[in-house]
Amino acid sequence: NAGVIQTPRHKVTGKGQEATLWCEPISGHSAVFWYRQTIVQGLEFLTYFRNQAPIDDSGMPKERFSAQMPNQSHSTLKIQSTQPQDSAVYLCASSLQANTEVFFGKGTRLTVV
Amino acid sequence: QQKVQQSPESLIVPEGGMASLNCTSSDRNVDYFWWYRQHSGKSPKMLMSIFSNGEKEEGRFTVHLNKASLHTSLHIRDSQPSDSALYLCAASELSGSFNKLTFGAGTRLAVCP
Repeated sequence: NAGVIQTPRHKVTGKGQEATLWCEPISGHSAVFWYRQTIVQGLEFLTYFRNQAPIDDSGMPKERFSAQMPNQSHSTLKIQSTQPQDSAVYLCASSLQANTEVFFGKGTRLTVV
Repeated sequence: QQKVQQSPESLIVPEGGMASLNCTSSDRNVDYFWWYRQHSGKSPKMLMSIFSNGEKEEGRFTVHLNKASLHTSLHIRDSQPSDSALYLCAASELSGSFNKLTFGAGTRLAVCP
Protein backbone atom coordinates (compact mmCIF):
# COMPACT_ATOMS: atom_id res chain seq x y z
CA ASN A 1 0.00 0.00 0.00
CA ALA A 2 1.73 3.13 -1.26
CA GLY A 3 -0.72 5.40 0.49
CA VAL A 4 -2.20 8.49 -1.10
CA ILE A 5 0.07 9.64 -3.90
CA GLN A 6 0.34 13.28 -4.87
CA THR A 7 2.23 14.76 -7.79
CA PRO A 8 4.13 16.92 -8.21
CA ARG A 9 5.61 17.35 -4.74
CA HIS A 10 6.68 20.89 -5.52
CA LYS A 11 5.40 23.31 -8.11
CA VAL A 12 6.42 26.88 -8.85
CA THR A 13 4.18 28.97 -11.08
CA GLY A 14 4.24 32.56 -12.18
CA LYS A 15 1.42 34.84 -11.18
CA GLY A 16 -1.47 34.39 -13.58
CA GLN A 17 -0.45 30.93 -14.74
CA GLU A 18 -2.45 27.74 -14.27
CA ALA A 19 -1.53 24.95 -11.87
CA THR A 20 -2.85 21.39 -11.90
CA LEU A 21 -2.30 19.13 -8.94
CA TRP A 22 -2.79 15.35 -9.08
CA CYS A 23 -3.88 12.84 -6.50
CA GLU A 24 -4.15 9.06 -6.52
CA PRO A 25 -6.20 7.85 -3.52
CA ILE A 26 -5.67 4.57 -1.75
CA SER A 27 -7.21 1.79 -3.82
CA GLY A 28 -10.70 0.95 -2.66
CA HIS A 29 -11.26 4.18 -0.76
CA SER A 30 -14.57 5.76 -1.65
CA ALA A 31 -13.99 9.30 -0.39
CA VAL A 32 -11.35 11.74 -1.64
CA PHE A 33 -10.67 15.08 0.03
CA TRP A 34 -8.63 18.15 -0.82
CA TYR A 35 -7.24 20.40 1.92
CA ARG A 36 -4.94 23.40 1.89
CA GLN A 37 -2.44 24.16 4.63
CA THR A 38 -0.74 27.48 5.36
CA ILE A 39 0.96 28.84 8.44
CA VAL A 40 -1.65 31.59 8.81
CA GLN A 41 -4.87 29.70 8.04
CA GLY A 42 -3.90 26.21 9.15
CA LEU A 43 -5.51 23.18 7.53
CA GLU A 44 -8.55 24.22 5.51
CA PHE A 45 -11.07 21.97 3.82
CA LEU A 46 -11.55 22.64 0.11
CA THR A 47 -13.71 19.91 -1.42
CA TYR A 48 -14.52 16.23 -1.43
CA PHE A 49 -15.82 13.42 -3.61
CA ARG A 50 -17.64 10.25 -2.68
CA ASN A 51 -17.62 7.43 -5.22
CA GLN A 52 -16.28 10.00 -7.73
CA ALA A 53 -19.28 12.31 -7.29
CA PRO A 54 -18.65 15.85 -5.99
CA ILE A 55 -20.33 16.16 -2.60
CA ASP A 56 -19.17 19.33 -0.92
CA ASP A 57 -17.08 22.13 -2.39
CA SER A 58 -17.90 24.70 0.27
CA GLY A 59 -14.23 25.47 0.91
CA MET A 60 -13.28 26.14 -2.68
CA PRO A 61 -12.60 29.71 -3.82
CA LYS A 62 -15.28 29.70 -6.49
CA GLU A 63 -13.79 31.68 -9.33
CA ARG A 64 -10.39 30.12 -9.98
CA PHE A 65 -10.42 26.72 -8.29
CA SER A 66 -11.94 23.54 -9.67
CA ALA A 67 -11.63 19.87 -8.83
CA GLN A 68 -12.50 16.75 -10.73
CA MET A 69 -12.47 13.02 -10.22
CA PRO A 70 -12.78 11.42 -13.65
CA ASN A 71 -12.21 7.90 -12.34
CA GLN A 72 -11.78 6.12 -9.02
CA SER A 73 -8.00 6.18 -9.21
CA HIS A 74 -7.31 9.87 -9.53
CA SER A 75 -8.46 13.37 -8.77
CA THR A 76 -7.17 16.74 -9.92
CA LEU A 77 -7.25 20.20 -8.42
CA LYS A 78 -6.86 23.00 -10.94
CA ILE A 79 -6.10 26.59 -10.06
CA GLN A 80 -6.45 29.12 -12.83
CA SER A 81 -4.74 32.50 -12.87
CA THR A 82 -2.71 31.68 -9.76
CA GLN A 83 -2.09 34.43 -7.23
CA PRO A 84 0.62 34.71 -4.54
CA GLN A 85 -2.02 34.05 -1.85
CA ASP A 86 -2.60 30.61 -3.41
CA SER A 87 0.86 29.58 -2.21
CA ALA A 88 0.31 26.71 0.21
CA VAL A 89 0.69 22.98 0.69
CA TYR A 90 -2.22 21.24 -0.95
CA LEU A 91 -3.07 17.94 0.69
CA CYS A 92 -5.14 15.17 -0.81
CA ALA A 93 -6.65 12.55 1.47
CA SER A 94 -8.86 9.48 1.21
CA SER A 95 -10.91 7.28 3.47
CA LEU A 96 -12.54 3.90 3.13
CA GLN A 97 -15.97 4.70 4.50
CA ALA A 98 -17.80 7.00 6.90
CA ASN A 99 -16.10 7.59 10.23
CA THR A 100 -12.94 5.70 9.42
CA GLU A 101 -9.44 7.13 9.35
CA VAL A 102 -8.67 9.76 6.75
CA PHE A 103 -5.23 9.15 5.23
CA PHE A 104 -3.29 12.10 3.88
CA GLY A 105 -0.82 12.25 1.02
CA LYS A 106 2.53 14.00 1.33
CA GLY A 107 1.15 17.11 -0.30
CA THR A 108 2.07 19.41 -3.15
CA ARG A 109 3.84 22.60 -2.16
CA LEU A 110 2.66 25.30 -4.55
CA THR A 111 4.65 28.51 -4.75
CA VAL A 112 3.31 31.38 -6.84
CA VAL A 113 5.96 33.95 -7.70
CA GLN B 1 -14.01 32.36 14.46
CA GLN B 2 -12.73 28.80 14.04
CA LYS B 3 -15.27 26.11 14.90
CA VAL B 4 -12.55 23.97 16.47
CA GLN B 5 -10.42 25.72 19.07
CA GLN B 6 -7.21 24.22 20.41
CA SER B 7 -5.13 25.23 23.39
CA PRO B 8 -2.42 25.92 24.17
CA GLU B 9 -0.92 27.16 20.91
CA SER B 10 2.45 25.80 21.96
CA LEU B 11 3.72 23.63 24.76
CA ILE B 12 7.16 22.68 26.03
CA VAL B 13 7.54 19.62 28.25
CA PRO B 14 10.64 17.84 29.54
CA GLU B 15 11.46 14.37 28.29
CA GLY B 16 9.53 11.89 30.39
CA GLY B 17 6.91 14.46 31.34
CA MET B 18 3.17 14.64 30.66
CA ALA B 19 1.77 16.74 27.82
CA SER B 20 -1.89 17.78 27.92
CA LEU B 21 -3.60 19.27 24.89
CA ASN B 22 -7.14 20.62 24.68
CA CYS B 23 -9.75 20.96 21.95
CA THR B 24 -13.32 22.26 21.88
CA SER B 25 -15.86 22.42 19.08
CA SER B 26 -18.50 25.14 18.84
CA ASP B 27 -20.56 23.06 16.37
CA ARG B 28 -23.30 21.15 18.20
CA ASN B 29 -23.65 18.74 15.25
CA VAL B 30 -20.23 17.22 15.84
CA ASP B 31 -20.13 13.53 16.74
CA TYR B 32 -16.51 12.44 16.27
CA PHE B 33 -13.18 13.88 17.32
CA TRP B 34 -9.88 12.98 15.75
CA TRP B 35 -6.33 13.70 16.87
CA TYR B 36 -3.67 13.91 14.19
CA ARG B 37 0.06 14.41 14.57
CA GLN B 38 2.13 16.21 11.97
CA HIS B 39 5.91 16.17 12.14
CA SER B 40 7.71 19.02 10.45
CA GLY B 41 7.61 18.67 6.67
CA LYS B 42 5.39 15.60 6.83
CA SER B 43 1.68 14.96 6.31
CA PRO B 44 -0.77 14.61 9.19
CA LYS B 45 -1.19 11.08 10.57
CA MET B 46 -4.04 9.97 12.78
CA LEU B 47 -3.21 9.19 16.38
CA MET B 48 -6.58 8.45 17.90
CA SER B 49 -10.29 9.01 17.44
CA ILE B 50 -13.12 9.12 19.94
CA PHE B 51 -16.89 9.46 19.73
CA SER B 52 -18.14 8.13 23.09
CA ASN B 53 -18.06 9.94 26.40
CA GLY B 54 -15.16 8.89 28.52
CA GLU B 55 -11.60 7.85 28.00
CA LYS B 56 -9.63 5.84 25.50
CA GLU B 57 -6.02 4.75 25.98
CA GLU B 58 -3.48 3.50 23.48
CA GLY B 59 0.01 3.07 24.82
CA ARG B 60 1.32 6.41 26.09
CA PHE B 61 -1.63 8.30 24.62
CA THR B 62 -4.97 8.90 26.35
CA VAL B 63 -7.93 10.77 24.91
CA HIS B 64 -10.88 12.09 26.91
CA LEU B 65 -14.20 13.28 25.53
CA ASN B 66 -17.03 15.20 27.17
CA LYS B 67 -19.82 15.26 24.61
CA ALA B 68 -21.96 17.69 26.61
CA SER B 69 -19.28 20.36 26.38
CA LEU B 70 -17.83 19.09 23.07
CA HIS B 71 -14.41 19.11 24.70
CA THR B 72 -11.69 16.58 24.09
CA SER B 73 -8.19 16.36 25.46
CA LEU B 74 -5.10 14.39 24.52
CA HIS B 75 -2.58 13.38 27.15
CA ILE B 76 0.84 12.04 26.36
CA ARG B 77 2.70 10.45 29.22
CA ASP B 78 6.43 9.76 29.29
CA SER B 79 6.87 12.26 26.46
CA GLN B 80 9.75 11.60 24.07
CA PRO B 81 11.67 14.00 21.81
CA SER B 82 10.11 12.12 18.87
CA ASP B 83 6.71 13.35 20.09
CA SER B 84 7.72 16.90 19.15
CA ALA B 85 5.25 17.84 16.41
CA LEU B 86 2.11 19.80 15.56
CA TYR B 87 -0.95 18.15 17.08
CA LEU B 88 -4.16 18.77 15.19
CA CYS B 89 -7.64 18.20 16.54
CA ALA B 90 -10.46 17.64 14.05
CA ALA B 91 -14.20 17.20 14.37
CA SER B 92 -16.73 15.55 12.08
CA GLU B 93 -20.41 14.76 11.93
CA LEU B 94 -21.82 11.23 11.92
CA SER B 95 -24.56 12.12 9.48
CA GLY B 96 -24.25 14.27 6.39
CA SER B 97 -20.74 14.92 5.17
CA PHE B 98 -18.75 11.77 4.84
CA ASN B 99 -15.92 12.21 7.30
CA LYS B 100 -15.38 15.85 6.35
CA LEU B 101 -12.90 16.94 8.99
CA THR B 102 -12.81 20.47 10.38
CA PHE B 103 -9.41 21.11 11.91
CA GLY B 104 -8.24 23.39 14.69
CA ALA B 105 -5.13 25.50 14.36
CA GLY B 106 -3.08 22.96 16.29
CA THR B 107 -0.83 22.79 19.33
CA ARG B 108 2.89 22.75 18.69
CA LEU B 109 4.57 20.43 21.19
CA ALA B 110 8.28 20.49 21.91
CA VAL B 111 9.76 17.79 24.13
CA CYS B 112 13.15 18.77 25.46
CA PRO B 113 15.77 16.18 26.37
